[in-house]
This record gives sequence, C-alpha cells and structure tokens, in this order.
Amino acid sequence: GAVVSQHPSRVICKSGTSVKIECRSLDFQATTMFWYRQFPKQSLMLMATSNEGSKATYEQGVEKDKFLINHASLTLSTLTVTSAHPEDSSFYICSPGQGGKTQYFGPGTRLLVL
Amino acid sequence: QKEVEQNSGPLSVPEGAIASLNCTYSDRVSQSFFWYRQYSGKSPELIMSIYSNGDKEDGRFTAQLNKASQYVSLLIRDSQPSDSATYLCAVHQPVGRGSQGNLIFGKGTKLSVKP
Repeated sequence: GAVVSQHPSRVICKSGTSVKIECRSLDFQATTMFWYRQFPKQSLMLMATSNEGSKATYEQGVEKDKFLINHASLTLSTLTVTSAHPEDSSFYICSPGQGGKTQYFGPGTRLLVL
Repeated sequence: QKEVEQNSGPLSVPEGAIASLNCTYSDRVSQSFFWYRQYSGKSPELIMSIYSNGDKEDGRFTAQLNKASQYVSLLIRDSQPSDSATYLCAVHQPVGRGSQGNLIFGKGTKLSVKP
C-alpha cells in the first residue's frame, strides 16, 4: 500500500492559535488529497478534497476560512486549523488519491485545543 | 443522502470462532467497497477491498458482496484477541454527482475477541 506520513502526530494548543498539519505521500503521486476528521466514537467524515494546484472543495458545514488547505505538490498537502477552539479537537487524517480513487490513510494527527 | 450502515456492536466472539460483520449501503452506483480495521487511537488500516459480486478471500478474511441487496460483509475465521478492534465499512463514491471520489464510512462495528 501507499506510504503516507503526517506531522505532527499529536498537538496540544491554546484556544485561538493556529495549527498546521502536514501530510506527505512518500511513494505515491497524490493528485488528490482527502482530509477527514474523526470525533470520539464516531466514524471518519470527509472535510475537504484538494487537487494538486487547485483550490480545495469543502464539504457542507466545513468552514473554508477556518480550515485552510494547501496542495502545492504531488507529495505534500497541508491543513491549517486557524483560530482553533476546543470544538476543533479531533483526529485529523489525510488520504492521498489518484484518478479520483483513494484507499490509504495517513497515521493521523490528534489535535487537542485547550 | 448517501449512507453506509453498520451494527455498532460490540460484537463479542470467543477466540477461534468466526466473526461476521455486516454492512449495507444506499447508493446503487457504488462500485468499490472496503473494510478497514481501526485500533483505538490509530488510523484505519485497509484489510480488504472488493469490487465484484461474490466472495473474496485473503488469509483468515473473506469479504462478500451482493450488489443487488446492497450488502457487503466481512468474515474473520479463527478469530484472535489481536483482531479486537473497530471494523469500518467504506464505500467509494465515483467522481461526479457531487462526489469528489472519496470514501463514505459506516460508524464501525466494535469487535471483541475473548481469549
């Protein structure tokens, strides 16, 4: 399967700060990157989809100005949670895709906002 | 609304038994189906993918797909305590009709294998 890394794996921050999460596709050219989040005891929910070199498409209810996504290359996508609040505490997981298909996930980033 | 439904469990089976996990989906155009295993605090790990009606076997795992009934299942033979995890059923939404080609997940079934 695809080798995907995420950094950081865990982050604790104060309310109001911004957090950047990096997702790298190490052996796979990710023309598409899917960003999911998972709240405790719930399943993964798609937040947004980004295509390399294009603006991201956000799912309903996900604020594009709060969750900034950059997908500047085929191997790197970043998700920035701006002005994070406690309700943004979640498990953020990226999933690289190619040709509109995706199967593999990064190891995830656990965000805790105090 | 495209949905994937799973029994949340917990499903408890003794070691060595067969665990049977079920999933139904609502979108008939779906063509690709996946089972993931997720340990607590970890990211989902792909176990099986299935695209055609019938059975697909890989080691102790067998996935079954019935597109007419919109039903997909996962059997785990000779269950081990290390199989204890949450199993997520996922359905791939083809690009188009509002889909970006992402996966839609069920809420997962928690499996507990007792020694």
